[in-house]
Amino acid sequence: AQRVTQPEKLLSVFKGAPVELKCNYSYSGSPELFWYVQYSRQRLQLLLRHISRESIKGFTADLNKGETSFHLKKPFAQEEDSAMYYCALTYLIQGAQKLVFGQGTRLTINP
Amino acid sequence: DTAVSQTPKYLVTQMGNDKSIKCEQNLGHDTMYWYKQDSKKFLKIMFSYNNKELIINETVPNRFSPKSPDKAHLNLHINSLELGDSAVYFCASSQSGVSGNTIYFGEGSWLTVV
Repeated sequence: AQRVTQPEKLLSVFKGAPVELKCNYSYSGSPELFWYVQYSRQRLQLLLRHISRESIKGFTADLNKGETSFHLKKPFAQEEDSAMYYCALTYLIQGAQKLVFGQGTRLTINP
Repeated sequence: DTAVSQTPKYLVTQMGNDKSIKCEQNLGHDTMYWYKQDSKKFLKIMFSYNNKELIINETVPNRFSPKSPDKAHLNLHINSLELGDSAVYFCASSQSGVSGNTIYFGEGSWLTVV
C-alpha cells in the first residue's frame, strides 16, 4: 500500500539553526515525491519535487531509495519558514494523479 | 488571476442542511480534485475527475456528490450535513498523463457544521 509517514507532528527550532523535516514512504513502484507547504490559513503550495532536484527558499530534499526517505532540509531557518509542511507521493490512476499525503509537520521557527 | 478558485471561503451551517462548494480553474487542466483537511490537519483525497469523468472515488459517504459540468469546474454538493463534516475542503487541478505534474490547490473552503 502507498503510504507516507512524517514522524514529527511538531518541530520547533531557533532562527538560524538547521532544519530537517523527516519523510518516509512506502510505494511498490518508482515514486514521485513532493513537499508541499501551507502557510497560516492559506492554500497548499508546491515547495519542491524530487525529479527537479531544485532548491526553493533554501530548502532541498534528496530521494534516498535505499532508506525510502525524502527528508526536507534547510541549513539556516528563517522566521518566515514557520508553516505546515506535507510530504506527498503521487501515482497515476487512469491519468488522474492520486496524491497521498503524510500527516504533516508543523514547523515553528523561534526568534 | 487566481488559478484555482473556490467559493465560499467560509461556510457555517446547521446539521441536516444541504450545501455546495464551487470550484473553477483557469489553467486549462483536464483533471480536478477535491481534498479534505480534517481538524488534525490530515489531508486526504476525496474525488478526482478527468475530462468530466469520475476517476477516483475514495471511501466517502454518498452524501457527498461531486459534479463536473465541464473540465474547468468541479463542484461538491453535500447532503444532510453532519458535525463530522466540519473541515477544510480543497479543490485542486492538474494536467493528466504524467505522474510528476504539479497539482495546484485552491485556497480552501472552511466548512463548520453546528
